[in-house]
Amino acid sequence: GESVGLHLPTLSVQEGDNSIINCAYSNSASDYFIWYKQESGKGPQFIIDIRSNMDKRQGQRVTVLLNKTVKHLSLQIAATQPGDSAVYFCAEKGGNTGKLIFGQGTTLQVKP
Amino acid sequence: GAGVSQSPSNKVTEKGKDVELRCDPISGHTALYWYRQSLGQGLEFLIYFQGNSAPDKSGLPSDRFSAERTGGSVSTLTIQRTQQEDSAVYLCASSPLAGARREQFFGPGTRLTVL
Repeated sequence: GESVGLHLPTLSVQEGDNSIINCAYSNSASDYFIWYKQESGKGPQFIIDIRSNMDKRQGQRVTVLLNKTVKHLSLQIAATQPGDSAVYFCAEKGGNTGKLIFGQGTTLQVKP
Repeated sequence: GAGVSQSPSNKVTEKGKDVELRCDPISGHTALYWYRQSLGQGLEFLIYFQGNSAPDKSGLPSDRFSAERTGGSVSTLTIQRTQQEDSAVYLCASSPLAGARREQFFGPGTRLTVL
């Protein structure tokens, strides 16, 4: 069945270092992927998305990489800051269905 | 402009009681979604509405759960005869168009605790 998972439950990085958060998905029919950031007590906040016809997309300090061959998605955060501390979720959407399938989340901890 | 709002922010109820959770989507957004997030877990899809189309209810965990969307705007998620396993944060999201590759904008959630 469909599933989206993250490889590590917690990632701890030093302030200023780059962070890489990974995600594996199982539905090869998924054609749209999103990364969300969720801070404590808040709803998820959109970070960046990518369509399946792309393999890389860059935003401000963030880059998403998509490897359809191995069904792997990653989020790279450059020069990680304390404000980046949060839980990060990947999500996938397939076809014209509206629902997102979320992974379990990776907690990013930024050490000063 | 205003984002997605949800009320109440917190709800404590006794097992067996009914609860209603409200979502006000972003004005003009035609698609509205409900998700559930258990402690330390990812988000679980419940239901979504798109315009006047029949809602996709495929994620509702039991017939105790129902939702409606009146006038294409406000939505209410109702849980009847609540159980302790219903305790979770219920998140609502809206987007300009469902099915398209558009981000969903989330509200802050309602934390439901069933005693």
